[in-house]
Amino acid sequence: DAGVTQSPTHLIKTRGQQVTLRCSPISGHKSVSWYQQVLGQGPQFIFQYYEKEERGRGNFPDRFSARQFPNYSSELNVNALLLGDSALYLCASSLSAEGEYFGPGTRLTVT
Amino acid sequence: AQSVTQPDIHITVSEGASLELRCNYSYGATPYLFWYVQSPGQGLQLLLKYFSGDTLVQGIKGFEAEFKRSQSSFNLRKPSVHWSDAAEYFCAVGLSGYSTLTFGKGTMLLVSP
Repeated sequence: DAGVTQSPTHLIKTRGQQVTLRCSPISGHKSVSWYQQVLGQGPQFIFQYYEKEERGRGNFPDRFSARQFPNYSSELNVNALLLGDSALYLCASSLSAEGEYFGPGTRLTVT
Repeated sequence: AQSVTQPDIHITVSEGASLELRCNYSYGATPYLFWYVQSPGQGLQLLLKYFSGDTLVQGIKGFEAEFKRSQSSFNLRKPSVHWSDAAEYFCAVGLSGYSTLTFGKGTMLLVSP
């Protein structure tokens, strides 16, 4: 079975631009979470969606938004990019009470 | 709010030697505890998890962890380290098996020949 997939793998953007990151969960998983991992730190929770509804939001500004589609895939959008948004963005999916399974991440560099 | 502390930023272990990575958590109820491993530039791979029951949990790649409620700890162990174990290890806590996770800052494991 395919794991969590994310696209693109790498992305370079300029300050002030907008970016959209995509995630496809493991087949059958209805919950998707997004995390930001800055170099040298552990992942920080951004959003969780379940059945297309936002179930949780971390301490991130309104420039960050997300949505989940009927097929349970998800997009993370970040507007007005700042240098500090440079990070590895991780998507995770879960089905039942077994914990979250992570994708390979999207490396975003803001110049 | 829950929190996770991994007191060791870096650990160097000789190949074939035993390993113990420390993790302490702060949470009011019985936590759901996880260990993940991350190779350079990669995502996170789940090594093992503890939800309830036996406090000694077996995971993949020969890793195990022990939940000690009295010490609020969930330390990761391996009896004999291989060079391929060199990576960064993250301990995480959740409110449930469905919930999002709070991660520690990670411990970088270096394996010397």
